[in-house]
Amino acid sequence: EVVLTQSPGTLSLSPGERATLSCRTSQSVNSVSLAWYQHKPGQAPRLVMYGSSNRATGISDRFSGSGSGTDFTLTISRLEPEDFAVYYCQYYGASPFAFGQGTRLEI
Amino acid sequence: QVQLQESGPGLVKPSQTLSLTCSVSGDSISSADHYWNWIRQPPGKGLEWIGCIRKSGSTYYSPSLRSRLSISVDTSKNQFSLKLTSVTAADTAVYYCARDGTAWGQGTLVTVSS
Repeated sequence: EVVLTQSPGTLSLSPGERATLSCRTSQSVNSVSLAWYQHKPGQAPRLVMYGSSNRATGISDRFSGSGSGTDFTLTISRLEPEDFAVYYCQYYGASPFAFGQGTRLEI
Repeated sequence: QVQLQESGPGLVKPSQTLSLTCSVSGDSISSADHYWNWIRQPPGKGLEWIGCIRKSGSTYYSPSLRSRLSISVDTSKNQFSLKLTSVTAADTAVYYCARDGTAWGQGTLVTVSS
């Protein structure tokens, strides 16, 4: 079972700044099976990145993903007000398809 | 465009069974081989993957819920369902259904309380 650990728990930044979110897996995983989601209160989660570095449909090019092995990163350049949310990583290469505990990106 | 909609009781008594259904429109469960998921979010906590099912009926469950969990699919109705037995207050959450990770229902709050 792969355990995902996200850091930091909370990231406080201002619009226009750059956000770097980390997701570490408990064992080396195939990067094609790592996703990132954005979740806002009262809404369904939204897929942001799949295959660790592929932007989902409709996602701004300010979002980028990278990583391999056990360390993965979601970067948001030039933060916009609508980017402030909770972000989760998920490994879907093998069951259980666990989520990380989330990083809250706050203004 | 695929749409998913959760339905079921919003209140369940402790020790009883929580049953939810996800109705799918805009896509056929029996067409491509997607993973049809259940995910929940307890109040104030993060997302928890519950389990999923494929059109073949193959199921994959969270180890922590496996003993109480059953997920089934009804391709004739284009629905899939969740049953969680012996619920406690810890099962209170917003429950989401999702096709892979790309399409999600809006979620439904289920409260476990007497």
